[in-house]
Amino acid sequence: DVKVTQSSRYLVKRTGEKVFLECVQDMDHENMFWYRQDPGLGLRLIYFSYDVKMKEKGDIPEGYSVSREKKERFSLILESASTNQTSMYLCASSNDGNYGYTFGSGTRLTVV
Amino acid sequence: DQQVKQNSPSLSVQEGRISILNCDYTNSMFDYFLWYKKYPAEGPTFLISISSIKDKNEDGRFTVFLNKSAKHLSLHIVPSQPGDSAVYFCAASAQTGANNLFFGTGTRLTVIP
Repeated sequence: DVKVTQSSRYLVKRTGEKVFLECVQDMDHENMFWYRQDPGLGLRLIYFSYDVKMKEKGDIPEGYSVSREKKERFSLILESASTNQTSMYLCASSNDGNYGYTFGSGTRLTVV
Repeated sequence: DQQVKQNSPSLSVQEGRISILNCDYTNSMFDYFLWYKKYPAEGPTFLISISSIKDKNEDGRFTVFLNKSAKHLSLHIVPSQPGDSAVYFCAASAQTGANNLFFGTGTRLTVIP
């Protein structure tokens, strides 16, 4: 089974801090994604990557950046955390031609 | 602009009855549709999918129906069980273009024992 692991289940950070959310997948998937989930808004795509060192903006990239130095790892960076970035963050991976994603368990981030 | 819409944020059903979750989409290029189920504090898990060449796909208690002319799909759960209580997300993808899934806003299903 594909496993997508997010490093933290719960995080509390202060406004203005730089925050790193890590995601690792173990099935050699080409594609990796970062979403945030908010009540009433569903899953919104922040950034995605189709290959190492490659990144594409999703629907809501403002205030975020990403890094993919290795195929298995995709990091989401909040350059200067703000309270409106309090959310559930979900990482996912997939293979080319397979439209189903495998999600990690999520990171609940609270910015105070 | 929301290309995949789930207009019912919540649904309550008695145990043993049918649950029907609905999803509408606007992009006629979508040709593959999926349903995901999400429990609190967990990531979404894949439930069932359907290609646009079909109008029905069944897997145990779960059936997905696709009406391409109406740009509408629905998920039927029969019989509903308390363990089915979760948030259900509809998702869609277009074969052309990026390998992206577009998600709906989700419907919270509560199955009452």
